[in-house]
Amino acid sequence: ETGVTQTPRHLVMGMTNKKSLKCEQHLGHNAMYWYKQSAKKPLELMFVYSLEERVENNSVPSRFSPECPNSSHLFLHLHTLQPEDSALYLCASSRGWGDEQFFGPGTRLTVL
Amino acid sequence: TQLLEQSPQFLSIQEGENLTVYCNSSSVFSSLQWYRQEPGEGPVLLVTVVTGGEVKKLKRLTFQFGDARKDSSLHITAAQPGDTGLYLCAGRYSGAGSYQLTFGKGTKLSVIP
Repeated sequence: ETGVTQTPRHLVMGMTNKKSLKCEQHLGHNAMYWYKQSAKKPLELMFVYSLEERVENNSVPSRFSPECPNSSHLFLHLHTLQPEDSALYLCASSRGWGDEQFFGPGTRLTVL
Repeated sequence: TQLLEQSPQFLSIQEGENLTVYCNSSSVFSSLQWYRQEPGEGPVLLVTVVTGGEVKKLKRLTFQFGDARKDSSLHITAAQPGDTGLYLCAGRYSGAGSYQLTFGKGTKLSVIP
């Protein structure tokens, strides 16, 4: 399998649930990103990891918790989300922080 | 907060027509990128421009970077249904201490057969 993959592709969860989004890249890249894409708003960068260290955290609420166990995998742990957190969550990777980014297909999240 | 404005927000045209979409900011970019995003997929990079006045062509797509590096345009000649999608511009601002990309809201293009 090549490129950037994300699972699940769709997720519906209640406000009290705990779930995790997974991203995997098969490109040998060293940087990975989480973005949020909401209707009528620009893509918002949430977190950046470079060489498994977090280098950007854009004032994201603590109910979103990223984890990067190695350079190929990135997780976004979700707990006690709000309905306004419903969005498309996109993962991306790049050779280095600042290089061309390759996006995954996203996870469509709905919070009830 | 630096804003990147894209226009128009929506565009519906007939197959074979030409179109131009725009990306504008009040700040100077060190580089600017154009992406296309199809439904159910992530954005795919089309082009990166870095030099003021630069013009790049990708088949029927022509990308132009403004002389002052504050604006860009994407022109599509003889649009095809396969051009349908969300076109996003994203820029890195000069002098920023970060490599972050700032995205516009996008132009949603529909090409009707």
